[in-house]
Amino acid sequence: DTEVTQTPKHLVMGMTNKKSLKCEQHMGHRAMYWYKQKAKKPPELMFVYSYEKLSINESVPSRFSPECPNSSLLNLHLHALQPEDSALYLCASSQDRASGGGNIQYFGAGTRLSVL
Amino acid sequence: RKEVEQDPGPFNVPEGATVAFNCTYSNSASQSFFWYRQDCRKEPKLLMSVYSSGNEDGRFTAQLNRASQYISLLIRDSKLSDSATYLCVVGHNDMRFGAGTRLTVKP
Repeated sequence: DTEVTQTPKHLVMGMTNKKSLKCEQHMGHRAMYWYKQKAKKPPELMFVYSYEKLSINESVPSRFSPECPNSSLLNLHLHALQPEDSALYLCASSQDRASGGGNIQYFGAGTRLSVL
Repeated sequence: RKEVEQDPGPFNVPEGATVAFNCTYSNSASQSFFWYRQDCRKEPKLLMSVYSSGNEDGRFTAQLNRASQYISLLIRDSKLSDSATYLCVVGHNDMRFGAGTRLTVKP
């Protein structure tokens, strides 16, 4: 079983809704990631947090807003999404971002999001 | 050119077959190399890290060729349960995923 927990597992929202995806890990990892995955495509990196600071934003639209309240939690706030944003949203964590094994990423089971 | 390239397949093989996947990468500064497995509608899970000297885990063997910038995964005596998408992941601080290779093992 994954040690990265994501909630909710499924989410259906309208284009005017505001919702949040949550991710939690208790492995003491200091790097956390959000990915978006469309069907039959690989995960696409959205955001990286390292030591609770945003390190990477891969030119993600502002309707996606990440937040890292502490080293164990990662949120993704959603507002005014479009139908094409429907996808599987995966959270991952790693010990840190250094190479040499510390950057092995462990994934949560994902939130399957549908935007109507 | 994509940073990480994989043959998308699909590879359809009978049980017991040996199958090999290759993955090429463009960034010569890459330091970390992994193979992940992803089952349908599930999250990616680490299959194995890939080390410079090559490494083996049961029926799975991974190789790294830095000079040619590719990694490979060999699966021997394939099982029905090996059916999945295999993702090549390469990077340094930031990891990049290949598009994945779909494998179906048939009875």
